[in-house]
Formats: sequence, C-alpha cells, structure tokens
Amino acid sequence: KNEVEQSPQNLTAQEGEFITINCSYSVGISALHWLQQHPGGGIVSLFMLSSGKKKHGRLIATINIQEKHSSLHITASHPRDSAVYICTVYVPGSQGNLIFGKGTKLSVKP
Amino acid sequence: DTGVSQNPRHKITKRGQNVTFRCDPISEHNRLYWYRQTLGQGPEFLTYFQNEAQLEKSRLLSDRFSAERPKGSFSTLEIQRTEQGDSAMYLCASSLDGGLSEQYFGPGTRLTVT
Repeated sequence: KNEVEQSPQNLTAQEGEFITINCSYSVGISALHWLQQHPGGGIVSLFMLSSGKKKHGRLIATINIQEKHSSLHITASHPRDSAVYICTVYVPGSQGNLIFGKGTKLSVKP
Repeated sequence: DTGVSQNPRHKITKRGQNVTFRCDPISEHNRLYWYRQTLGQGPEFLTYFQNEAQLEKSRLLSDRFSAERPKGSFSTLEIQRTEQGDSAMYLCASSLDGGLSEQYFGPGTRLTVT
C-alpha cells in the first residue's frame, strides 16, 4: 500500500462543475503540499498546509490531521484547470523529506 | 524569471550514451533536489544537496547516476551508459532550507532513450 493515496486517479468534468480530489496518507507528516502539473511536465505549487483550510481564487485546500486526509476543491472548473494534481507530504526523516502521491489526472471539457 | 530552470528541456539519446542535465535553482536557496518521474507516476526522489554537499541519495539510484553541485549553486545530473528504462522526466526543485521549506520545481528535462 502506498503511503500517499489519491482518488480518483482520473476525473473528467464539464466546465463549471465543482471538483474534489482526495488525498489520504498513512504516515506522520509535518505538512502537505498540493502541486499542479500541466502537460509538458512543469510543476506549480498550489498550496502548502499543515492545518485547516487555505483558499486561492477558485481553489480550496483542506486538511484533517487527525483523519490523515486532505481535499483539493476547484469551484467553477474551467478547461484550463486540466492538469495532473499531485498530493505530496513532508515526512521528516524520509528520503528527501517528501513522499508523492501518483497524481489525479483532471480533464475539464468545455 | 527567477524561478528554477533546467536545461535541456528535452533530450533524445541512444542507449549506451552518456547524458548530462543542468539545474539552476532559485539563487538564495540552499537545498536542491533531483526527482525522476515516469509516465503516470508521481515523482520519485533521487538525491538532494545542502549547498555543495550531497546529503542523501535514493536507494533507487544506481552507480550510473551521479550528481554534483560544485559551488553550491547550479547542479548537474549525469547518467552514464543510458538504458531504455532511464526514459523519464527528470525534475529539479529547490528550497530555502530543509524541513518545512516549500520546494519550487523546475520545468523538468524529458529524457528519451532509444
């Protein structure tokens, strides 16, 4: 079992829909990071959080430390949101301190 | 642009050849990380540097891989005698320090070994 699990693996939505991507982890972490990776490979940092909730534009990220779970929400989705969203946890003492999920591939249709 | 840069962006090479990639981190960042990402997978840790010191190497890293950061600024990752299984995206990231310092990623170098 992977230490960081994301669901769903693939997600197709219609423009305007509300989207939720989930991340569960099984290790003790000091923080969690949501990354966005567009076709071509470049990775953009979306949020880094260790508790509660953060909001930036149409994106909202929440984390529940007790339940070892985080969600990334996209409101009013748009085709330009199409990307792979990667959940990453900071685990002090692990190799490189980061453990990555496999990513959720989101496709938003116009 | 003061972000992390990587060169080249794409590299196609024949099996058995050596390749070298370069990463230029954000200038004030002390930590520099190398990751490898294969299709459909999340990035996997390869190695990282604190200034010029290579502090950790992945158990996945074979002796064909070597990385340097000679002056604590840019870093190079060399793969000798490339194999088809080395085909992947090689990502570099930098952070101000370790621990909770956020990592900033470069655009990656996509390697194809034919």
